[in-house]
Amino acid sequence: DVKVTQSSRYLVKRTGEKVFLECVQDMDHENMFWYRQDPGLGLRLIYFSYDVKMKEKGDIPEGYSVSREKKERFSLILESASTNQTSMYLCASGEGAQSGANVLTFGAGSRLTVL
Amino acid sequence: GQNIDQPTEMTATEGAIVQINCTYQTSGFNGLFWYQQHAGEAPTFLSYNVLDGLEEKGRFSSVLSRTKGYSYLLLKELQMKDSASYLCAVYDSNYQLIWGAGTKLIIKP
Repeated sequence: DVKVTQSSRYLVKRTGEKVFLECVQDMDHENMFWYRQDPGLGLRLIYFSYDVKMKEKGDIPEGYSVSREKKERFSLILESASTNQTSMYLCASGEGAQSGANVLTFGAGSRLTVL
Repeated sequence: GQNIDQPTEMTATEGAIVQINCTYQTSGFNGLFWYQQHAGEAPTFLSYNVLDGLEEKGRFSSVLSRTKGYSYLLLKELQMKDSASYLCAVYDSNYQLIWGAGTKLIIKP
């Protein structure tokens, strides 16, 4: 019954390493999102995509990039990981916001620690 | 700026009722969501309100007052499995989702 799958639950990387976080959804949703979740803060949007090969910056895109080559897959890339990118990363998918209650379906999260 | 306020943590007793409040100041309003997130798991959708009033779903209800800029989630007949964080989120005028930091609910026997 899993609908949004994040490839890695836990990762430990070193400063300067390149990190790939993969997300796949099987609900044929147009929209996909990457958030980070930190204690005491609301979810913060990093990037989102409304269609294949399209991407839009969210509130905190610095230090991140994304790729959406196929509708079901949305990847988050940290070109050179830094300690302040230690966080829980959540992927989500949903239908168009203007279609009313755009309920997001989240993956279980990827907890990244950068040493 | 845009802001969503929720209490950081609440404690309640099994079998009781608890109300979790959410106040918002956003540039426009196009709907309010409540999500539940158990520790280490994905947030899951609970409710959506776009008009003033009550939405009921089993033991959970959500109420919205757009004029007052707030919502609350009412959980009845609390069970131990209701221990989780409850996230409030608002769609602003551009349909961008603004999230609160979440309320951690602890249920005691």
